[in-house]
Amino acid sequence: GAGVSQSPRYKVTKRGQDVALRCDPISGHVSLYWYRQALGQGPEFLTYFNYEAQQDKSGLPNDRFSAERPEGSISTLTIQRTEQRDSAMYRCASSQQAFSSYNEQFFGPGTRLTVL
Amino acid sequence: AQKVTQAQTEISVVEKEDVTLDCVYETRDTTYYLFWYKQPPSGELVFLIRRNSFDEQNEISGRYSWNFQKSTSSFNFTITASQVVDSAVYFCALSNAGNMLTFGGGTRLMVKP
Repeated sequence: GAGVSQSPRYKVTKRGQDVALRCDPISGHVSLYWYRQALGQGPEFLTYFNYEAQQDKSGLPNDRFSAERPEGSISTLTIQRTEQRDSAMYRCASSQQAFSSYNEQFFGPGTRLTVL
Repeated sequence: AQKVTQAQTEISVVEKEDVTLDCVYETRDTTYYLFWYKQPPSGELVFLIRRNSFDEQNEISGRYSWNFQKSTSSFNFTITASQVVDSAVYFCALSNAGNMLTFGGGTRLMVKP
């Protein structure tokens, strides 16, 4: 398991349903980030964790979005009552050290979410 | 607030041409880091380079080179003798003490044979 993995890779859901997106970071990486990338745009920050602590959730669009990382490893991004505007690629990244902007963030393949 | 602007949304060149991708950033921090990522057609984000705000030395890696100029808040990326495999979307990004990356909108580079 060399890289960041995300599941599912593709998710199609109906408006109003809840979805849970999973991220498995590189083993030993302390920091974990979630980004959202709309088609034709750059990724936008949602939230990040150092170990199990959520350090910044300022990028979460509204209270339908939440994230957790209870044991400091795997993280789940949950979107409740999905809306069509939530359709995007959701990307997870991890980096080795906490509190260091210098660290390279390694990105997973992303989850393509489509809300019908 | 931080901002990264990639004014070129799409560039098309013929193989073996040199091409420069522009990146302009805004930040109030004195310490910050700049990055370039490549997103090939397969969709993953691949790290290319990082630079800190105190190091304005240009860097060259094979056919790739980067020019960081604090005076103009720019961090431009040049590909020399472009190849079809260079076709991708390229993102410039900025991070500060907040750790998260602020990305530009990306530049789609198409290299034609």
